[in-house]
Amino acid sequence: QSALTQPASVSGSPGQSITISCTGTSSDVGGYNYVSWYQQHPGKAPKLMIYDVTNRPSGVSTRFSGSKSGNTASLTISGLQAEDEADYYCSSYTSSSTVVFGGGTKLTVL
Amino acid sequence: EVQLLESGGDLVRPGESLRLSCAASGFTFSSYAMNWVRQAPGKGLEWVSTISGSGGSTYYADSVKGRFTISRDNSKNTLYLQMNSLRDEDTAVYYCAKDPVENSRTWYWVYWGQGTLVTVSS
Repeated sequence: QSALTQPASVSGSPGQSITISCTGTSSDVGGYNYVSWYQQHPGKAPKLMIYDVTNRPSGVSTRFSGSKSGNTASLTISGLQAEDEADYYCSSYTSSSTVVFGGGTKLTVL
Repeated sequence: EVQLLESGGDLVRPGESLRLSCAASGFTFSSYAMNWVRQAPGKGLEWVSTISGSGGSTYYADSVKGRFTISRDNSKNTLYLQMNSLRDEDTAVYYCAKDPVENSRTWYWVYWGQGTLVTVSS
């Protein structure tokens, strides 16, 4: 199972919006509405930000939103804040009843 | 409060074995599927394995299939990962993670442990 494809890095200024893409295949991202997004700060465990493509867990800011088109899912962060600087990972259920992650995207808040 | 506490990480040589544990508390352990996810130093996340609440169903990543075995002891509220024939590329922080939905399997995880480091090196 190949990892999902994410950009290595993205950046934005405070207050701006950024979007992180996550590209898979019809056997994972495109075939199911089971895409999740995690935020990870250095030395910490991942934190779930989005599940099932568009849903936010309780307590996650409404500045975080998810979407999907075909084999590509996206995470959008609006009103960037300094504390959003972190690594972000997408994941998806696959046709093999497994889970595959993306390679991760480092978000820098300028 | 949900708590997951991994242990058992160590420095081992290639080919050796190691067993990780994840002690769970704050929820009805037997009602939830549990998972192992790992992260090599400076690298991304990799799903490793999942086990159903009863322990009757297990799933593995191709990279560990045949070498790793996931299990659970519901009487002890503990999840295990038996790792055999360890390789350099198994070096990682291993996290346990709890499924959020009772008596079902999901593909996302809200609760994670703090991780335990496994280093495989000669």
